Amino acid sequence: QKEVEQDPGPLSVPEGAIVSLNCTYSNSAFQYFMWYRQYSRKGPELLMYTYSSGNKEDGRFTAQVDKSSKYISLFIRDSQPSDSATYLCAMRAQTGANNLFFGTGTRLTVIP
Amino acid sequence: SQTIHQWPATLVQPVGSPLSLECTVEGTSNPNLYWYRQAAGRGLQLLFYSVGIGQISSEVPQNLSASRPQDRQFILSSKKLLLSDSGFYLCAWKTLQTSTDTQYFGPGTRLTVL
Repeated sequence: QKEVEQDPGPLSVPEGAIVSLNCTYSNSAFQYFMWYRQYSRKGPELLMYTYSSGNKEDGRFTAQVDKSSKYISLFIRDSQPSDSATYLCAMRAQTGANNLFFGTGTRLTVIP
Repeated sequence: SQTIHQWPATLVQPVGSPLSLECTVEGTSNPNLYWYRQAAGRGLQLLFYSVGIGQISSEVPQNLSASRPQDRQFILSSKKLLLSDSGFYLCAWKTLQTSTDTQYFGPGTRLTVL
């Protein structure tokens, strides 16, 4: 079993839709959760960073962590064509740890 | 602000040839540095990381090696490339001086081994 599971998609939605991207994980020691956005042929860029359970909102993006279910989500409201990218979830255990565990990424296309 | 550079951006090399990819970070000191490989549908695989000059930790045994000759320079090398070395190579950095204790990625190098 992989440490982190993520549906690879692809996912296509019309412009303005609400997008839900999800990851599940198996290691209950994970405490820090990240979402990266990766445009085609570019390096991943950090989108959201959260600690432990709960929600965090930044503009149109909301990250949600449910540690009891080992499940994290990224919601994108009012999706735009510029949101078309691959979204990678990542997580790790303690502070300062060098090992980040990544999902394989979900490819999202927002259709104008 | 911090920036990270990688070069070359793309590379096509024959099997058996040597490899040298370079990564440099600006705007920070004593960063942790990382090399990842990203293959289609397989996510990011951590290859090496370094917590200081000359200190290299290998995560995956392979025909690749890494070196850190300067504080903000990280080099990925191979003496003889294999077909399976093709992929997108990403360098990343991290310090505890940023507000988020996580890794930031460079633009990547796309390597094709023929």
